[in-house]
Amino acid sequence: NAGVTQTPKFRILKIGQSMTLQCAQDMNHNYMYWYRQDPGMGLKLIYYSVGAGITDKGEVPNGYNVSRSTTEDFPLRLELAAPSQTSVYFCAANEGRAISGNTIYFGEGSWLTVV
Amino acid sequence: GENVEQHPSTLSVQEGDSAVIKCTYSDSASNYFPWYKQELGKRPQLIIDIRSNVGEKKDQRIAVTLNKTAKHFSLHITETQPEDSAVYFCAVHIIQGAQKLVFGQGTRLTINP
Repeated sequence: NAGVTQTPKFRILKIGQSMTLQCAQDMNHNYMYWYRQDPGMGLKLIYYSVGAGITDKGEVPNGYNVSRSTTEDFPLRLELAAPSQTSVYFCAANEGRAISGNTIYFGEGSWLTVV
Repeated sequence: GENVEQHPSTLSVQEGDSAVIKCTYSDSASNYFPWYKQELGKRPQLIIDIRSNVGEKKDQRIAVTLNKTAKHFSLHITETQPEDSAVYFCAVHIIQGAQKLVFGQGTRLTINP
């Protein structure tokens, strides 16, 4: 049981390039999230998904796209990378029970630099 | 949307002393309040959480208190040790619509030997 797995761990992009950050979970959790964390800052929600086929915007969705074709995978796509997207990206998952909330499990993070 | 304010942003204490970090939130319907510890270059890790039907929870040197009326909750670390040095984040579980966690801005805690 690997939990939440993100790839790549480190990436340098040139301005205007595109890339996809991969995220996979093997816990059969319904809810998945993408957060970004700028240096010395907190976590901002980019996109989230409550199940396969369903995605929704978080606080900072501009410049990103997501898809959720399976329960396991939740890739984050950056189109036309900009320096402002230099950040650490964390994928996360939780069971999503409505009543009391559940532990959110984070991946190890993906360090992205746009130059 | 939900607003989570965390204070202080930095905190420096002597080893063995106590540290307290406070968060306030705006949505009275929120019902789950976790705290995460993030060491440099690592992912956030859950250290303690509290649900809205409980006023206090303790786990060894760490405790969390919740005041639902005032809409604030606090992390208390006693007998601090050098390995407690990290960034700590509070979070609030939003239940209106789809569930998600909204995080505070973080507190950089430094334990001085």
